[in-house]
Amino acid sequence: DTEVTQTPKHLVMGMTNKKSLKCEQHMGHRAMYWYKQKAKKPPELMFVYSYEKLSINESVPSRFSPECPNSSLLNLHLHALQPEDSALYLCASSRNRAGGSYEQYFGPGTRLTVT
Amino acid sequence: GDSVTQMEGPVTLSEEAFLTINCTYTATGYPSLFWYVQYPGEGLQLLLKATKADDKGSNKGFEATYRKETTSFHLEKGSVQVSDSAVYFCALIPPKRSSYKLIFGSGTRLLVRP
Repeated sequence: DTEVTQTPKHLVMGMTNKKSLKCEQHMGHRAMYWYKQKAKKPPELMFVYSYEKLSINESVPSRFSPECPNSSLLNLHLHALQPEDSALYLCASSRNRAGGSYEQYFGPGTRLTVT
Repeated sequence: GDSVTQMEGPVTLSEEAFLTINCTYTATGYPSLFWYVQYPGEGLQLLLKATKADDKGSNKGFEATYRKETTSFHLEKGSVQVSDSAVYFCALIPPKRSSYKLIFGSGTRLLVRP
């Protein structure tokens, strides 16, 4: 099973709202990722968690706040977003072992619209 | 720095035509190479991978061979179907200790007509 699930599938929020995106995997992967994808562009890495600890933050604005409650779950908390934050948000996971470059498995994404 | 270059799209083919999507990379050492496919309205699916020189990745009739001498990883399929219409991304992970960052090409849109 190589499934990564994401909820919700679609989300519309105002600029003053607070919402959360959720991601789950049961492959035993210990690395999890958030990506942002704008139309007709490749995904852009936002955050990497390794063994439930934040290991990479690609200079993402603080209105995006990631959380990894356990090894299977990854959340992205959203607050005071801007219309330009509208995009497809993708979660991914991979094995995690020093010296290994393992393929990442992506979820279906959450289509976020900020009004 | 490390990078991936893909051919510009869209690529438009008739059903049962032969497909090649070119991908070249720049990286030191031996990166791991991947092809991902994204169908309309969906996330990315791993299509195939290769982790060392001369490896051939294959899946669902698609193939790509890791060519170190030409730093290439071209995607091929002998006979495309309408259902193959999607965006294809070539990507690499650099050969560094505990490297996580997938470096993507710009993507190539494929449109297959009946």
